[in-house]
Amino acid sequence: NAGVTQTPKFQVLKTGQSMTLQCAQDMNHEYMSWYRQDPGMGLRLIHYSVGAGITDQGEVPNGYNVSRSTTEDFPLRLLSAAPSQTSVYFCASSYSSGQGGRAEAFFGQGTRLTVV
Amino acid sequence: AQSVTQLDSHVSVSEGTPVLLRCNYSSSYSPSLFWYVQHPNKGLQLLLKYTSAATLVKGINGFEAEFKKSETSFHLTKPSAHMSDAAEYFCVVTGMDTGRRALTFGSGTRLQVQP
Repeated sequence: NAGVTQTPKFQVLKTGQSMTLQCAQDMNHEYMSWYRQDPGMGLRLIHYSVGAGITDQGEVPNGYNVSRSTTEDFPLRLLSAAPSQTSVYFCASSYSSGQGGRAEAFFGQGTRLTVV
Repeated sequence: AQSVTQLDSHVSVSEGTPVLLRCNYSSSYSPSLFWYVQHPNKGLQLLLKYTSAATLVKGINGFEAEFKKSETSFHLTKPSAHMSDAAEYFCVVTGMDTGRRALTFGSGTRLQVQP
């Protein structure tokens, strides 16, 4: 049972570089999300998707792009890395609870990104 | 709009004593509520969830939480702390007023367990 798989686990970028964080889930969940975690701030939503071909912005979308071409994959692109994007990034997937709400989320192990 | 407030950023207990981590939520509709735990340099693990069934919810590792609608609270408790409980804990809410958005996280409570 792979669940949610994120790669890479660690990454160091120079300011201005671009890169893609990969996220894949094998549970056929319709919802996928990207969060960043910074000390004392909990997890903040970057972008999310409610199905293939549908994405939307979260709380802190600036500097990031996403796409959802398949149910399984939800990559996060950093367009031009900045030191303010140094953070731990988590991908999550979830499904409808059947009551109009959302069931629990399943998280990847995280990507620790440092921008120098 | 919905929100979550974790009332303590840091809680310290002695091993073998009770744990209480406090969470208040705001949601226009019947919410689903979760507690997640994150050990250092690890991902997030679901401890327990409330989804409008029994108001007292039991989770893994001896944790439980009680949903109190009148107080808009979902506090996490454990009768006896263990050293391995030292971690960060997040209260999370979702509900019909979430619309298409994802979960809303509290800012976290760091639990320290003293020997």
